[in-house]
Amino acid sequence: DAGVTQSPTHLIKTRGQQVTLRCSPKSGHDTVSWYQQALGQGPQFIFQYYEEEERQRGNFPDRFSGHQFPNYSSELNVNALLLGDSALYLCASSLDRVPSTDTQYFGPGTRLTVL
Amino acid sequence: AQSVTQLDSHVSVSEGTPVLLRCNYSSSYSPSLFWYVQHPNKGLQLLLKYTSAATLVKGINGFEAEFKKSETSFHLTKPSAHMSDAAEYFCVVSGPPSDKLTFGTGTQLKVEL
Repeated sequence: DAGVTQSPTHLIKTRGQQVTLRCSPKSGHDTVSWYQQALGQGPQFIFQYYEEEERQRGNFPDRFSGHQFPNYSSELNVNALLLGDSALYLCASSLDRVPSTDTQYFGPGTRLTVL
Repeated sequence: AQSVTQLDSHVSVSEGTPVLLRCNYSSSYSPSLFWYVQHPNKGLQLLLKYTSAATLVKGINGFEAEFKKSETSFHLTKPSAHMSDAAEYFCVVSGPPSDKLTFGTGTQLKVEL
C-alpha cells in the first residue's frame, strides 16, 4: 500500500516564476492538505481540498492556489515566486470520516528553492 | 483559535536515560492532540494521538504522552532514549470548527552516547 507521494523532490526556481507541486494521497484517502515548512520552523497550514473543492484555507496570499482531481490527487500552484517562498512543501492525506480526529499522513515533501 | 507551545527548542539526553519533551496547548474546544517526529530529510511520522479517549496515550517506538486538561499539557515521554530517537519533534493540535493541524515550533532532540 503506497503512502503519500509527492513530486518533484527538489525544485529550483527564480523570483517571479510560477511552480506546480503534485501530491498523490494514501490509498483510500479523499482529503488532501498542504503545508509550508520554512527552515527551522513548524509546518504552516496552507489549504485543504475535499471533493475537488477548497474547504478551508490558512493565512496565505492568493498567489497560492490548488486543485484536486477526481482521483483525489492534488496540485499546489504558487505564482510570482518570492525568495520567502523557499521552503519544504508537505502534502498530507486523510479520510474525511470524523474531522479533527482522523490521522493525517504526510508525504516526504518537495523542497522549493527560489533564487 | 488553537495553538501549542513547545517549551524547549532543544533537548539533549544520554542514551538509556528518560526523555521528556514538553508541550502546552490552547484551544476553545475539546482538542485532538498529536506528536509527530521528523527525521532529517524525511517526512513527518505520527508518533501518537489523543482524541478524548484514554488520557494516557501510547505510541510507537516506546513513546507515550499524557493529556492533562487541568494543566493544558500534553508532554511526550520515553523511559529510555535510543540513538535513533534523535530528530525534530512537533506537538500538534487540531479541533473544531476546522480540522487543520496547528504545529508547534518543534523540539530538536539530541541523544548522546
